[in-house]
Formats: sequence, structure tokens, C-alpha cells
Amino acid sequence: ETGVTQSPTHLIKTRGQQVTLRCSSQSGHNTVSWYQQALGQGPQFIFQYYREEENGRGNFPPRFSGLQFPNYSSELNVNALELDDSALYLCASSPGQGERGTQYFGPGTRLLVL
Amino acid sequence: QQQVKQSPQSLIVQKGGISIINCAYENTAFDYFPWYQQFPGKGPALLIAIRPDVSEKKEGRFTISFNKSAKQFSLHIMDSQPGDSATYFCAARVRGSTLGRLYFGRGTQLTVWP
Repeated sequence: ETGVTQSPTHLIKTRGQQVTLRCSSQSGHNTVSWYQQALGQGPQFIFQYYREEENGRGNFPPRFSGLQFPNYSSELNVNALELDDSALYLCASSPGQGERGTQYFGPGTRLLVL
Repeated sequence: QQQVKQSPQSLIVQKGGISIINCAYENTAFDYFPWYQQFPGKGPALLIAIRPDVSEKKEGRFTISFNKSAKQFSLHIMDSQPGDSATYFCAARVRGSTLGRLYFGRGTQLTVWP
């Protein structure tokens, strides 16, 4: 059984560009959550996808968007990148929603915006 | 607004000593409190978790103590080892939420000296 995987591991972009980050959930997991972890901070919830639909969002602007595919893998898209978007982006999968799912995190994608 | 407050920010302990990390919260709707361990370059990994109907949970060298009336909980690492050197995050989840969103503390960087 493979765990949560994310790609790429590192990425450098310039301000104003767009970026797509990818996540493959753990086998049997149908729920994917995305978190942003700034340097020296705890992860902050961006949004969650359950069965290909967004079912909740944290305090992030609409330029943060996502998708979940039929195989439950997911993408995080960020448009009009800003310097403050530099962070580690974590994907977490779980076998169900809410209390039915312990969240298992991937290694993250480290994004640097110059 | 930080919904889960964690202290200390950093902690240095000698090998064999006890490491103690504290967290506090205000939202009485929280009913699940996990602790995550994160090594450099890795995503957070679930270490141990507790629900407020018990005051203590122990797994090996790791113990969570929970004080519901004070809205505080803490992680104790007994016989701390150099391999325990990592960043530790406390987190909380809202009762009955279909979202399962985790609210994280800012993290504690633990260094165990040999």
C-alpha cells in the first residue's frame, strides 16, 4: 500500500505566474485536503475535496482552486502568484469525511515565489 | 486568529529526559486532539490522538494529558531520544464536522542532545 505522494517536490515561480501542484491519495482514500505551511508555522487549511467536489474551504482567496479526479487524486492551482504564497503545500488524504477519516499527509511541495 | 495555541516554540532536552509540549484552545466544539510529528523534508505524521472523554492516553513513550475544564492538553515524551528531534504540532477538529478540517498550533521544534 503506497502512501500519499505529491509532485513536484520543489518549484520556483515568479510573481504573477500560475502553478499546479499534484497529489495522489493513499489507496482506498476518497477525501483529499490541502494545507499551506509557511516557514515556522503550522499547516493552514485551504480546502477539501470529497468525491470530486469541494466540500469546504479555509480563509484563502478564489485564486486558490482545485480539482479531484475519479481516481481521487487531486490538483491545487494557484493563479496570480504572490510572494506570500511561498510555502510548503501539503496534501492529506483520508478514508472518509469528517470523523471517519484520520488524515495522512504527503511530503509536500515546497513553492518559492520570486 | 490562532485557534490552537502551542508552547514552547522550541525545546532542548537531554537524552533520557522528559519533553513536555503544551497546547490550549478556546473553541468548545473541538472534540478530537491529535499530535503530529514532522521531520525536515517530510509531511506531518500522526503520533497520537485523544478525545475529551479521557484525561490521559499513553502509547509507548508518548502520553497525552487532557484537561477539559482548562481547555488545555499536553504531550509528554518520556526517555527522550535523539531520534525524537523533530517539530511537533498539536491540532484540533470540530465535533460532528463533515469536513474534518484540522486546526494546527504553530509547532514546537524539539532537539534532544545525546
